[in-house]
Amino acid sequence: DTEVTQTPKHLVMGMTNKKSLKCEQHMGHRAMYWYKQKAKKPPELMFVYSYEKLSINESVPSRFSPECPNSSLLNLHLHALQPEDSALYLCASSPETSGIEQYFGPGTRLTVT
Amino acid sequence: GNSVTQMEGPVTLSEEAFLTINCTYTATGYPSLFWYVQYPGEGLQLLLKATKADDKGSNKGFEATYRKETTSFHLEKGSVQVSDSAVYFCALSDRQTGANNLFFGTGTRLTVIP
Repeated sequence: DTEVTQTPKHLVMGMTNKKSLKCEQHMGHRAMYWYKQKAKKPPELMFVYSYEKLSINESVPSRFSPECPNSSLLNLHLHALQPEDSALYLCASSPETSGIEQYFGPGTRLTVT
Repeated sequence: GNSVTQMEGPVTLSEEAFLTINCTYTATGYPSLFWYVQYPGEGLQLLLKATKADDKGSNKGFEATYRKETTSFHLEKGSVQVSDSAVYFCALSDRQTGANNLFFGTGTRLTVIP
């Protein structure tokens, strides 16, 4: 299995909702990442987990809360989001914690109304 | 610091034309270099990579050579197809700094017309 899966594919939520994005990989990778991508822009790093521990938080607002329950799963919990948080949220994983050669999932298209 | 500069798009080519997308980088250590491709509505796919100077990455007819002397990693393909229409991102990862970051260029949108 050489892929990163993400669910849901699309999500529409109101500003008072609580929702979660899910990411899964079964490649034995030890690092996992959340990125945010706005239209016509490159991905921006949000969080990095290395060996299931949060190692990088790129000054992301607390309304985004990551969780790594085990080495194969990565969640992103969303609460009280703003319309400007609407974006494509990409998960990635890499075999090394130095970030070489990251493999990306298809993304979750999030719309905040 | 680390950064990637990529040629502005969009690029529109006819089928079977030659493609070059320029990419130059700045790095503090010894970066690995990547090209990722993003098809409409999808995530990023690793297209090719090079981990040291003079390495040539290649995949699906695309090639890029890691040129340390010119700090460049230009993407080329001899004959593009309509199915190559996508956004292409040049990126680097700097192992020496121990960073987990991929530093992306701004992306170049390629449209190939029949």
